Amino acid sequence: DAGITQSPRYKITETGRQVTLMCHQTWSHSYMFWYRQDLGHGLRLIYYSAAADITDKGEVPDGYVVSRSKTENFPLTLESATRSQTSVYFCASSGVAGVAGELFFGEGSRLTVL
Amino acid sequence: DQQVKQNSPSLSVQEGRISILNCDYTNSMFDYFLWYKKYPAEGPTFLISISSIKDKNEDGRFTVFLNKSAKHLSLHIVPSQPGDSAVYFCAASESNTEYGNKLVFGAGTILRVKS
Repeated sequence: DAGITQSPRYKITETGRQVTLMCHQTWSHSYMFWYRQDLGHGLRLIYYSAAADITDKGEVPDGYVVSRSKTENFPLTLESATRSQTSVYFCASSGVAGVAGELFFGEGSRLTVL
Repeated sequence: DQQVKQNSPSLSVQEGRISILNCDYTNSMFDYFLWYKKYPAEGPTFLISISSIKDKNEDGRFTVFLNKSAKHLSLHIVPSQPGDSAVYFCAASESNTEYGNKLVFGAGTILRVKS
């Protein structure tokens, strides 16, 4: 089925471990985004990408790394997880180039860092 | 400093009545606004949007009003239904930029519609 999928849906890890959250979309959308959702903060942008090999920092990028070697994939890596990175992570994509438009979100990845 | 604010964390409404969700923004460069709806364990889904050239946009039971001078928008749901119970996020963007689809979200409002 076409759409945007995230994996894993649930992950428990320990402080200091490396974790990668995967995001895959089948629409060939140019733009992809990673947000985190925290109580009281809503959705905050971590990183975004306009195309393969083009990425940029969002509002809360510290402690995260992204890559985009292929248009359809946009993995998010926590190089050394901390408890403050316990959150629900949402990947989103958009096919609109340079103008305002809606984002399409995945179902989220709930990460717990012990 | 939050650029998009939803000051009501929750709202409870009786089925059939009107639900009004509010949103304020501080960045005067924002010119495109969206509302997203989110159910538990699901991703947010787009509900309705409005451009700053309009002051109202309607889609079925959902209407969004924009007051640019007050930097305020609101979402009206009439009549409210139990299935509308969800978290509602207000979002904004600067449309005439390279990343016009980079959205800034508010903290969300939990709507509960009682039957």
